[in-house]
Amino acid sequence: QVQLVESGGSVVQPGKSLKLSCATSGFGFSRYAMQWVRQAPGKGLEWVAVISHDGSKMYYPDSVKGRFSCSRDNSKNTVYLQMNSLRIEDSAVYYCAKDVYGSGSFADHWGQGTPVTVSS
Amino acid sequence: DIQMTQYPSILPAFVGDRVTITCRASQSISNWLAWYQQKPGKAPKLLISDASSLESGVPSRFSGSGSGTEFSLTITTLQPDDFATYYCQQYFNFSWAFGHGTKVEFK
Repeated sequence: QVQLVESGGSVVQPGKSLKLSCATSGFGFSRYAMQWVRQAPGKGLEWVAVISHDGSKMYYPDSVKGRFSCSRDNSKNTVYLQMNSLRIEDSAVYYCAKDVYGSGSFADHWGQGTPVTVSS
Repeated sequence: DIQMTQYPSILPAFVGDRVTITCRASQSISNWLAWYQQKPGKAPKLLISDASSLESGVPSRFSGSGSGTEFSLTITTLQPDDFATYYCQQYFNFSWAFGHGTKVEFK
């Protein structure tokens, strides 16, 4: 069955960098776009990045544009989120999710999330 | 950017009630809208896509409707397992945005 397992979350100081990974299995990874969505403690969901099936297109909201970068390795069935210049407000649980299409739409499977805490 | 306004933010209800959650988009998104259910400490679960298409395995008491800017999620005959937080999400034209969520809680 479809599995997504995030890793890489930790406690990091403001201004530092962190790279999250999401290892997947159980589906044709290279055919689907992938998403990153975060949720700050006690808050709602916020989309963070979407990457097309072949990695040629990435989309970001203004809140992370220029600081976060999403990539994928279709040979390893893994998607990444490189987070630079981290801010306290980036503290959240980060979920990766499988899109239903190759170009980006909605997500039908989610990982369990990995927590990121930005604190001095 | 397209903004999603979701209401109510809290919805007290009894088991057996019929409840409706509304989501409004700041501009037309056709039917590019999904609904998710989330329980504490868990990842969101897809319920409905394209405004009204029920995901496989989701009980038929859940239904979605709407197009353009106004959408709704209805749960008929609320079950104990349905007490959770619900989010709408638009995915129109390579932009994404969630509503702020509706917590369905015990009255």
